[in-house]
Amino acid sequence: DAKTTQPPSMDCAEGRAANLPCNHSTISGNEYVYWYRQIHSQGPQYIIHGLKNNETNEMASLIITEDRKSSTLILPHATLRDTAVYYCIVRVARGSNYKLTFGKGTLLTVNP
Amino acid sequence: DAGVIQSPRHEVTEMGQEVTLRCKPISGHDYLFWYRQTMMRGLELLIYFNNNVPIDDSGMPEDRFSAKMPNASFSTLKIQPSEPRDSAVYFCASSYRRDPSYNEQFFGPGTRLTVL
Repeated sequence: DAKTTQPPSMDCAEGRAANLPCNHSTISGNEYVYWYRQIHSQGPQYIIHGLKNNETNEMASLIITEDRKSSTLILPHATLRDTAVYYCIVRVARGSNYKLTFGKGTLLTVNP
Repeated sequence: DAGVIQSPRHEVTEMGQEVTLRCKPISGHDYLFWYRQTMMRGLELLIYFNNNVPIDDSGMPEDRFSAKMPNASFSTLKIQPSEPRDSAVYFCASSYRRDPSYNEQFFGPGTRLTVL
């Protein structure tokens, strides 16, 4: 699976949009981008995933560049409860392969 | 649904003792995962099962670690003998296969293991 690069930390003001970048320049055509987050002392939580089209759900939006070498997770109106480590993961969706490899992620701190 | 249930939530033991961690996945889920998280190594996948069969155990650190899934509603991760370097938070997660691209894993609250 392709390697991802994320900034170690970011700050965001409460109520503003949080834009978390992820670089995956070696991604291949059949690899999906997944985002999870981990709030302190809890297990990770799935947020969203996509292949090449932009995706939106009740939690966030995922913007994938046309060349698919990078993506951005957008939390439209960040709250204090969004303070967490956000993981960007790239994996091939095939067969029974359900393995996710978590990197170091980005610690997002939402400030009041 | 109560979500993924793990027990115990905290475990303190002495080096050399056997430790058994337990997990009850969400009903209807056919994948079960065991992860370990430490400050140094981050979140690591140890092993995962599909329909109670181990699929990938390449993350299991050594023979002291073993995992079983005797039925669809129960799994154990055993460490024998335990060592201080095994101190970590162990997470269990479960998932069901909607399609190959879908990979929403539901994590339990974790078991914090301290080996003295």
